Amino acid sequence: QKEVEQNSGPLSVPEGAIASLNCTYSDRGSQSFFWYRQYSGKSPELIMFIYSNGDKEDGRFTAQLNKASQYVSLLIRDSQPSDSATYLCAVTNQAGTALIFGKGTTLSVSS
Amino acid sequence: ETGVTQSPTHLIKTRGQQVTLRCSSQSGHNTVSWYQQALGQGPQFIFQYYREEENGRGNFPPRFSGLQFPNYSSELNVNALELDDSALYLCASSGQTSGEETQYFGPGTRLLVL
Repeated sequence: QKEVEQNSGPLSVPEGAIASLNCTYSDRGSQSFFWYRQYSGKSPELIMFIYSNGDKEDGRFTAQLNKASQYVSLLIRDSQPSDSATYLCAVTNQAGTALIFGKGTTLSVSS
Repeated sequence: ETGVTQSPTHLIKTRGQQVTLRCSSQSGHNTVSWYQQALGQGPQFIFQYYREEENGRGNFPPRFSGLQFPNYSSELNVNALELDDSALYLCASSGQTSGEETQYFGPGTRLLVL
């Protein structure tokens, strides 16, 4: 069974701090990696995708990928209360058809 | 907004009944994937449709079936509903982003089975 593991949290950070979210995956054949944000009662919203080892930055968000360690992370700089949500890590299966999700990490940003 | 729409938004059924959920993909997307998200869990892949053919299936029983139409919209059908089928059902459509497939989710249909 291919798995994606995330710390369920909650992860609590003060406003303006850096939030660090981590994810490990078991399938070495996974090629694409995604972070989705999900507010309570809503559907997942794509934040970042990353395909190559290293860092990818988009505004306050940085995704980091290390395929050798099978590790993906998401950094959120200058965290805002509006960032409070569940963050889902997802990786593609080897066929590239399905996303395999972790259970999500709940982030709480206090003002 | 992703441009992916789903209907209905909420649905209540009783055990043993059948349900059909609908999804319209984002303009220009030809692939639709369906996921089930139970409370407190990540979405679980049900199946994917590409150009009207099933293109992959997760670990769900045959009573979960689907269709994709020539306009790339899709239906998810669930027969013989069970209490554990209560969940948020998500449709995602795929397009090419930098040469890779990226899935964008619709708002979901929340199904309650009593």
